[in-house]
Order: sequence, then structure tokens, then C-alpha cells
Amino acid sequence: GENVEQHPSTLSVQEGDSAVIKCTYSDSASNYFPWYKQELGKRPQLIIDIRSNVGEKKDQRIAVTLNKTAKHFSLHITETQPEDSAVYFCAASDRGTYKYIFGTGTRLKVLA
Amino acid sequence: SAVISQKPSRDICQRGTSLTIQCQVDSQVTMMFWYRQQPGQSLTLIATANQGSEATYESGFVIDKFPISRPNLTFSTLTVSNMSPEDSSIYLCSVEGRGDEQFFGPGTRLTVL
Repeated sequence: GENVEQHPSTLSVQEGDSAVIKCTYSDSASNYFPWYKQELGKRPQLIIDIRSNVGEKKDQRIAVTLNKTAKHFSLHITETQPEDSAVYFCAASDRGTYKYIFGTGTRLKVLA
Repeated sequence: SAVISQKPSRDICQRGTSLTIQCQVDSQVTMMFWYRQQPGQSLTLIATANQGSEATYESGFVIDKFPISRPNLTFSTLTVSNMSPEDSSIYLCSVEGRGDEQFFGPGTRLTVL
């Protein structure tokens, strides 16, 4: 079955710097890759997603890139702000099953 | 996106007892999902619940331990049976969006003593 690895497990950046979180997946059938942000005590919130027919997607300060050949995708946050501090989860899904396999999470701390 | 609620938001239970968690959505959805998030960990899919059919469980999860109901297109329940301290987790339901995305409920924080 699908396996998703996520790195790093923790990441500290200075406010205004960029942050990059990387995920790799194993199942070539996976074709949908969402990213969730989870603040302490809150539910996971979808922040951006990408489908396998697209190489890059951007939404303001957040972007996601996908390399299908290498089976990895990355989240890029530019101009980080303290409110970006949270745990970020990547996931991979086969659109036929709708099942999500989540990565292990990255705790991002943005230092003011 | 859909408005999703869960009840209870948290509970403290004694080992050996059972707890039923409710998930309510404000619109009709075909697919609902139940996840477990152990303390400080990622999310693990327990089962997929479609209305009108039995839930589909993932490896490591069985119906006797986690029975699920899906009586209509806006509601589902997950029961955690014969609980032990290892069942202490956050349990989240999620629903499909218009595309491939899933939206999560607020979660139920369960502590088993």
C-alpha cells in the first residue's frame, strides 16, 4: 500500500524567511496531494492541494510542487509570519478510492 | 465547504466501557471518513462510511472494536468499544468536498483511564 514520508519533522525559521517541507510517496497510482495545517487543539485545515496533471500550484504565499517521476511533492511558504506556526501534514490519495495516507507531520515554528 | 460538527468534543472514560461519537454535516455527502490521531502523531484512517453499505475498515481496525453507523447522508457514528488507555486519541470525522478534498470535523478528544 501507499506510504508517505515527510521531512523535516521540525522546522524553525525567522519571520520573513521561506519554509520548505518535503514529502515522498510510494504508490504511482496516487494522483491527488493535499496539504493540511493543524494549529494546536484545532482540526486540520486544507491549505492547498495539487493533482497529478499539474506540476506546480500557487496561492498567495503558499505553493506546492509535484515531481511525479521522483514521487515527491513539496510545500513552500514564503514571507513566513508567526501565524504560520503550526503542524503541517501532507497526504497522498488515489482519487479512485478517496483514501488519504498522511505523512508524519512537520512542526513549523516561525520566530519573530 | 460543509459545516461539520462532532459530539462529544471530549470525554474521559473508564476502561472497558464504550463511547459513541457522532458526526453531523450540514449538507448531504456520499463519503464520510473516520480518523484517529494519537497524541502528537499523524492522522490514521480507521474506516470509510458510505450510506447504505457497510463501512470499509483499514488494516489494523476491526468492526467489533470500532462499529460505525451511517443511517443517512448527513450523519455517522463511530463507537470505540471495550476501551483501554491505548484508545486515548483524538477521533476525527471528515467528509468529501466537491472534488477530491476532505474537510474535517473539530474532533473528539478521548481519554481512557
